[in-house]
Parts: sequence; C-alpha cells; structure tokens
Amino acid sequence: QVQLQESGPGLVKPSETLSLTCAVSGYSISSGYYWGWIRQPPGKGLEWIGSIYHSGSTYYNPSLKSRVTISVDTSKNQFSLKLSSVTAADTAVYYCARRGISNWFDPWGQGTLVTVSS
Amino acid sequence: QSALTQPRSVSGSPGQSVTISCTGTSSDVGGYNYVSWYQQHPGKAPKLMIYDVSKRPSGVPDRFSGSKSGNTASLTISGLQAEDEADYYCCSYAGSYTLYVFGTGTKVTVL
Repeated sequence: QVQLQESGPGLVKPSETLSLTCAVSGYSISSGYYWGWIRQPPGKGLEWIGSIYHSGSTYYNPSLKSRVTISVDTSKNQFSLKLSSVTAADTAVYYCARRGISNWFDPWGQGTLVTVSS
Repeated sequence: QSALTQPRSVSGSPGQSVTISCTGTSSDVGGYNYVSWYQQHPGKAPKLMIYDVSKRPSGVPDRFSGSKSGNTASLTISGLQAEDEADYYCCSYAGSYTLYVFGTGTKVTVL
C-alpha cells in the first residue's frame, strides 16, 4: 500500500523560501510514476503546483513556475518542494500525491498547513 | 488558466441522486478524456473517486459514476448516503503547458 507523508516547517516568513518533503513508503519512486504537489488555501479550492518523474523531469504550473523547484531523492525515496519569495497568498495546506499514468492523483498525503507570516 | 466551474452546492435526501457539473473549455475538459473527481471530507485529504471521465478505482462504490459531454463533465451519486456528504472537486488535464486545472469545488449536503 503506497503511503505519502509531508513534512516541513509550519510557519514561513514573507519573502523567504518554503521547503517541504514528501516521504513515500510502500513503493519505490525509481519504479515509475510522476509525483506531485497540490495546495489548498484555507477554505478554498485545490491548485496543482507541479510534478516530477523519478528521472528528474519536472512540470510546473505556469503561474508558479518562476518560484517553484521540485526535486527527487531516489536514495531516500522522497521528493521535495521549494517555493521562493512567499507571501500570505501562499498560506495553504500542501499535499503531495502520486500522479497516475492517465493523469489522476492517488494516493495523497495527509497534507501539511504552511502559514506565511512574520 | 481559470479553474473549472462547479456549482457551489448541491443537496439531496438519502437514497436520491445528485449530479455535479464541471464546466471547462475545449482546451481542458472538452479536449481530453482525462477528467478525474475527488471527494474531500473536512480536514481530510482528497480521495480519488473517478478517473478517465468514467472509470472507478477499486474500492469506490458503484453509486459513483462519471460522464462527459462537450466541455462539461459530470459526477453522479446515486442512492445518496450520509457518508457522501463532503466537498467534491473535478480535475482535468489541460495540455502540455498548463497541465492540470481543478474545479472550484461543490459541497454535497445530505438532507
């Protein structure tokens, strides 16, 4: 059973870089699939941030592309998100998820709330 | 790329059917058969309910069904049950530049 678990600081100051990691268990990232990040501001809808393949190929939401970096560490079976120059608008629950072959997301991690505030 | 349009809320009594629409454009919903639906209970992570417009993952009750016509996809819940009360989001592949766009979300209330 594939499981994903997000981790990282719950509070980030404005203009700094948000950094999160997603640990994958029950499946080797090196075996395939894309792995991605999706966020949800409090009380609002979902927004796809970006995805990465085990080879390192990445795809980003055009609206966030200039600030986003997603990387993978196959030795630790995890992948990471960095979002630079954050503002209060980046406050959200951040989810990691596996992206299926035909463009679905499953399973998801439990999510982690990141608040941007001084 | 704008979010896909969903009704803010729908409701029904136990046993009834409800349908949630998800309207996009020919660049997303209408252009690809890659629409998925997610159920989200309060404080929980989304759960995949439908993929590829109308396919159900293992373990999802057959009360949930999906369809698409033109630029609008739909999720129908038949035989509504109390545990179906949740938020539902559609998602569509939108091409190699935008990639994925989610819907605005619909709250399903079981009366």
